[in-house]
Amino acid sequence: AQTIHQWPVAEIKAVGSPLSLGCTIKGKSSPNLYWYWQATGGTLQQLFYSITVGQVESVVQLNLSASRPKDDQFILSTEKLLLSHSGFYLCARRDRDGNTLYFGEGSRLIVV
Amino acid sequence: GQQVQQSPASLVLQEGENAELQCNFSTSLNSMQWFYQRPEGSLVSLFYNPSGTKQSGRLTSTTVIKERRSSLHISSSQITDSGTYLCDTGGADRLTFGKGTQLIIQP
Repeated sequence: AQTIHQWPVAEIKAVGSPLSLGCTIKGKSSPNLYWYWQATGGTLQQLFYSITVGQVESVVQLNLSASRPKDDQFILSTEKLLLSHSGFYLCARRDRDGNTLYFGEGSRLIVV
Repeated sequence: GQQVQQSPASLVLQEGENAELQCNFSTSLNSMQWFYQRPEGSLVSLFYNPSGTKQSGRLTSTTVIKERRSSLHISSSQITDSGTYLCDTGGADRLTFGKGTQLIIQP
């Protein structure tokens, strides 16, 4: 079975502290990977996408960065959190030979 | 860029009634997908339907490309259908979501 594992499930962090959210894919190799962010009550916004290891494209600038160190791993991070980073972060994958977008369970972030 | 409009923003129905949700997009699309967002936030894929009609149980999705719209029909709604329904469209790299329709099914 193809799965998407996100970690941590939830986190409370202080403004100015660093953040690292992880996404691990199990299943077909070389999927397209995506990071999405949703503010409470807001619209899902695409942040980044990656079609292969080492290549990440930014879609929306939110003072965040993303990396794909391995084919099955996608990392979202920042060195200094802002209050506006609070929200729900979702990792998604789309297989090369498919069209459907599949999402992980998400990571909820509260910045205080 | 692609603009996606969902309507209605919210919909309250009695159990057993049918629901019709709309998704309108501004430019020609490469993909169209409908999702159900659970209260805790996770998304469940309902349909990938870039054109034509697809049915799964009580759910039917119809996409008409030349009219730049897609609809999701829920027949004989149940209380467990309550939640937020999202549509998304785009290419392999850029995917745009609508703001969603909040569906509330009352007993």
